[in-house]
Amino acid sequence: QKEVEQNSGPLSVPEGAIASLNCTYSDRGSQSFFWYRQYSGKSPELIMFIYSNGDKEDGRFTAQLNKASQYVSLLIRDSQPSDSATYLCAAMNSGYSTLTFGKGTMLLVSP
Amino acid sequence: KAGVTQTPRYLIKTRGQQVTLSCSPISGHRSVSWYQQTPGQGLQFLFEYFSETQRNKGNFPGRFSGRQFSNSRSEMNVSTLELGDSALYLCASSEQDMGTEAFFGQGTRLTVV
Repeated sequence: QKEVEQNSGPLSVPEGAIASLNCTYSDRGSQSFFWYRQYSGKSPELIMFIYSNGDKEDGRFTAQLNKASQYVSLLIRDSQPSDSATYLCAAMNSGYSTLTFGKGTMLLVSP
Repeated sequence: KAGVTQTPRYLIKTRGQQVTLSCSPISGHRSVSWYQQTPGQGLQFLFEYFSETQRNKGNFPGRFSGRQFSNSRSEMNVSTLELGDSALYLCASSEQDMGTEAFFGQGTRLTVV
């Protein structure tokens, strides 16, 4: 069973702090990893994706991938109350064109 | 460029009925995938279509089916509705396959009573 695991949270951080969201996956053949943000009652919105080991930065967001540890993370710098949402981690399964999602981590950023 | 469009946005159906949901992908996108989202199970993969062919199917009963048309628009059908089918149904499109960026529509909220 290919799984993606996330802490459900909520993760609470003060405005301006760094939020760190983590994700582990079971399928060693997973090749690409995606982070989506989902506001309550809305559909998931793609934040960024990562293929290679290491860090990938996009504005206030940094995705980190460690394939040896089967670990993906998303750092949000200078967190804002508008970042309060559920963050979904997804892995593209090897040999398939599908995404397996974690159940998401709820992030709460307090002013 | 228009985003992924799903219709209808909301549906209320009775147990035993059937329902058809529609998804129009972003122009030029040939891959369309469907997901079911519930509070307890999160996002679960239903099926994926590419150029009118179903390439992958998730672990759902045969009551769930889909198809894709030559213009890449896709429909999914659920027959003999059960209360447990109440969920947000999301469609996502991407250019070639889900390994590239996939974008979601706003979803169809299905309530079975």
